[in-house]
Amino acid sequence: DIVMTQSPDSLAVSLGERATINCKSSQSVFYSSNNNNYLAWYQHKPGQPPKALIYWASTRESGVPDRFSGSGSGADFTLTISSLQAEDVAVYYCQQYYDTPFTFGQGTKLEIK
Amino acid sequence: QLQLQQSGPGLVKPSQTLSLTCAISGDSVSSNRATWGWVRQSPSRGLEWLGRTYYKSKWYFDYALSLKSRITINPDTSKNQFSLQLKSVTPEDTAMYYCARTASGAGNFDYWGQGTLVTVSS
Repeated sequence: DIVMTQSPDSLAVSLGERATINCKSSQSVFYSSNNNNYLAWYQHKPGQPPKALIYWASTRESGVPDRFSGSGSGADFTLTISSLQAEDVAVYYCQQYYDTPFTFGQGTKLEIK
Repeated sequence: QLQLQQSGPGLVKPSQTLSLTCAISGDSVSSNRATWGWVRQSPSRGLEWLGRTYYKSKWYFDYALSLKSRITINPDTSKNQFSLQLKSVTPEDTAMYYCARTASGAGNFDYWGQGTLVTVSS
């Protein structure tokens, strides 16, 4: 199985500041035949299902604010929130879909400083 | 607007079978542009992919190896839904269970059900 490791486990950022969450996979999730990284990011708030934010490592889902961006390739990825808003408080997860079983990171809890 | 509506009991006794259903509106379970799966979340295991089904000229099924002897995912084209059955449950199977869709050609979950908290207890 591909192991996904996120850092940090928790993060406190001031409103309006940048938040950066890292995700590392135990093997590359880049598929050279279509030049895609099989990596997604989700936002999870209590009492709700996870919400899809990013797929193919850097493509925003429809309706996701442009303060959310994804970057990286191969086995190292980053989710950046450029200017933290109060509604961004949540747990964030990365997920690889390069191979089954699809696997998730352990989550990063984002709070307001 | 695609919606996934989950149903099923929230309490299951040890050794019995957990059964959940996910009703689809706004898409078709037999679409060749999507796959339909189940994910669960517990404090001990985090988010865990359980399995999926999809149709591309025939039905396909993928399951987490750790559950392969106990899990079945079944599509029901007549009701446009799919189900999860997990046999011989133990307290370790206590979790929030979600159904979810992935777009074909990918594996990212773009739509999720509302979640069902299933507790395994006598």
